[in-house]
Amino acid sequence: QVQLQESGPGLVKPSQTLSLTCNVSGGSIKSGAYHYNWIRQYPGKGLEWLGYIYYSGSTGYNPSLKSRLSMSVDTSKNQFSLRLNSVTAADSAIYFCARSRPTSVYFDYWGQGILVTVSS
Amino acid sequence: EIVLTQSPGTLSLSPGERVTLSCRASQIVNNNFLAWYQQKPGQAPTLLISGASRRATGIPDRFSGSGSGTDFTLTISRLEPEDFAVYFCQQYGSAPPYTFGQGTKLEIK
Repeated sequence: QVQLQESGPGLVKPSQTLSLTCNVSGGSIKSGAYHYNWIRQYPGKGLEWLGYIYYSGSTGYNPSLKSRLSMSVDTSKNQFSLRLNSVTAADSAIYFCARSRPTSVYFDYWGQGILVTVSS
Repeated sequence: EIVLTQSPGTLSLSPGERVTLSCRASQIVNNNFLAWYQQKPGQAPTLLISGASRRATGIPDRFSGSGSGTDFTLTISRLEPEDFAVYFCQQYGSAPPYTFGQGTKLEIK
């Protein structure tokens, strides 16, 4: 059974960098069969897809965040990461990692989510 | 970017009733690449339907999806108590960004 688990700080100061990691178990990122995504959910419940990363390191980002967003993958640890810089209160949300297939980008497995608050 | 509009925002229903949720896209969703998710409080969304009508593994057959082009629906034929939740649609037919609707909340009447 595939499981994803987010980790990282729950509180980030404005203008700083938000860094999160997603650990994948029950399947190898190196299989090459899936993209690994970050999605966030605002307090008002809206969902926003942030981007994906492939085991090779290739990425696809939401254009609205492209200038502030980067993702990386560590296949030796079977995990992938997100960095979002210059954060503001508007970046406060629950951040989920989720799996999708490259050609059909619906999300079949999700992590439980991690609440990140941007505040001084 | 494709905007998905779900209606209604909230529905108050009783167990045993039939319900149809709507998801309308601002542009044609290529290949009917439209998914539906269920989300319960404090949990991540769960995939129900992909490709507009294909039930995900383990999803009961009381859930069905239909539609094409810009208009899609999710039908629950007979509401069970565990079906009261928030439902989201998501399109993946166009180049990023992949977008979600704002959700429909099903509440117990």
